[in-house]
Amino acid sequence: EAQVTQNPRYLITVTGKKLTVTCSQNMNHEYMSWYRQDPGLGLRQIYYSMNVEVTDKGDVPEGYKVSRKEKRNFPLILESPSPNQTSLYFCASSFGPYAQETQYFGPGTRLLVL
Amino acid sequence: GENVEQHPSTLSVQEGDSAVIKCTYSDSASNYFPWYKQELGKGPQLIIDIRSNVGEKKDQRIAVTLNKTAKHFSLHITETQPEDSAVYFCAASIPGNQFYFGTGTSLTVIP
Repeated sequence: EAQVTQNPRYLITVTGKKLTVTCSQNMNHEYMSWYRQDPGLGLRQIYYSMNVEVTDKGDVPEGYKVSRKEKRNFPLILESPSPNQTSLYFCASSFGPYAQETQYFGPGTRLLVL
Repeated sequence: GENVEQHPSTLSVQEGDSAVIKCTYSDSASNYFPWYKQELGKGPQLIIDIRSNVGEKKDQRIAVTLNKTAKHFSLHITETQPEDSAVYFCAASIPGNQFYFGTGTSLTVIP
């Protein structure tokens, strides 16, 4: 089944404890992206990648890191999480590299930073 | 960067009536405008999209219109059904660049 998977789905952590949220897609998509969703703010793009080893900052990249070593994986790293990073995170992917096609979203990761 | 504004934030309609959600964008370089539907507990899912070389697009009960001069685009849902109840997001994209979403509209269809 074609899909975007994220792990974990739920995570509670404490300030400063490094964490990684994994994202994987099995559709051979070029474009991958991370978003955070907060009430009243909609979806905001954190980072995106148009291909392997190519990543760019989105609207809210501060406090996050990403890497794209393989086409299918795009992990999101919080090196020192803070409470303001408590949010619902979505990974997405699309076929072409230019963000001009259907994006397929994962199921989301709900993160709580204490 | 691009700024996408979406209105209204909440919308209630009677089953069978039409619903309209409006978005404006600021960057004239944006040329791809999708609409996503998000059901409770799930990720957003594309329902329709439009490119800047097209003024209107329809898919059964759903239509999107684009006015490039005024920089606004709208989602129209006709003959609404209870299963249309969800949060809807508009978005704008510049080729090879970021994706910008609106703040969402919570649509409730009252049976």
